[in-house]
Amino acid sequence: QSALTQPASVSGSPGQSITFSCTGTSSDIGGYNYVSWYQQHPGKAPKLMIYDVSVRPSGVSNRFSGSKSGNTASLTISGLQAEDEADYYCSSYTNIFTVVFGGGTKLTVL
Amino acid sequence: QVQLQESGPGLVKPSETLSLTCTVSGGSIISYYWSWIRQAPGKGLEWIGYMYYSVSTNYNPSLKSRVTISVDTSKNQFSLKMKSVTAADTAVYYCARRGNAVGGNWFDPWGQGTLVTVSS
Repeated sequence: QSALTQPASVSGSPGQSITFSCTGTSSDIGGYNYVSWYQQHPGKAPKLMIYDVSVRPSGVSNRFSGSKSGNTASLTISGLQAEDEADYYCSSYTNIFTVVFGGGTKLTVL
Repeated sequence: QVQLQESGPGLVKPSETLSLTCTVSGGSIISYYWSWIRQAPGKGLEWIGYMYYSVSTNYNPSLKSRVTISVDTSKNQFSLKMKSVTAADTAVYYCARRGNAVGGNWFDPWGQGTLVTVSS
């Protein structure tokens, strides 16, 4: 199975909205509504931010939202804050009952 | 709330077997899926496998021949064994719960992670 494709880095200024993309295939993202997103600060364990494409867990800011179109999932952060600077990973279920992650996107808040 | 804690040797010799345990506290290990995920230094997350409390397992195809995940319900623990390790297996290993009691494909909560270095 191949990793999902994420841009290596994105950047934005405080207050802006920013969108991360995560591209897979019809065997993973396109075939299931089982996309999740994780935020990881340096030296810390990943934190679940979005599951089932667009569901936000309790305690996660409503500035974070998720969506999917075809084989591409997206994570949007609105009202960018300095504390959002981190690595972001997408993940999807696959048609062979496995899980695949994206390579991760490093967010820099300018 | 449920908390997970990894434990095991931080140093393993090449060709030997890596063994890690994840202790689950604050909830039962029964009726949930449990998973191992790793992250090589400076790299992204790699899913290793998951199990449904001793009923079924699924592994990353690239690691399947070397990996076994098992559970000890009496201790509320699950374990990872990876045989014939090489330096490429050096990583922070995380345990995590997958989904909720009715299914799902997300990982939460996570353990804090434990660094395993493969070196002679």
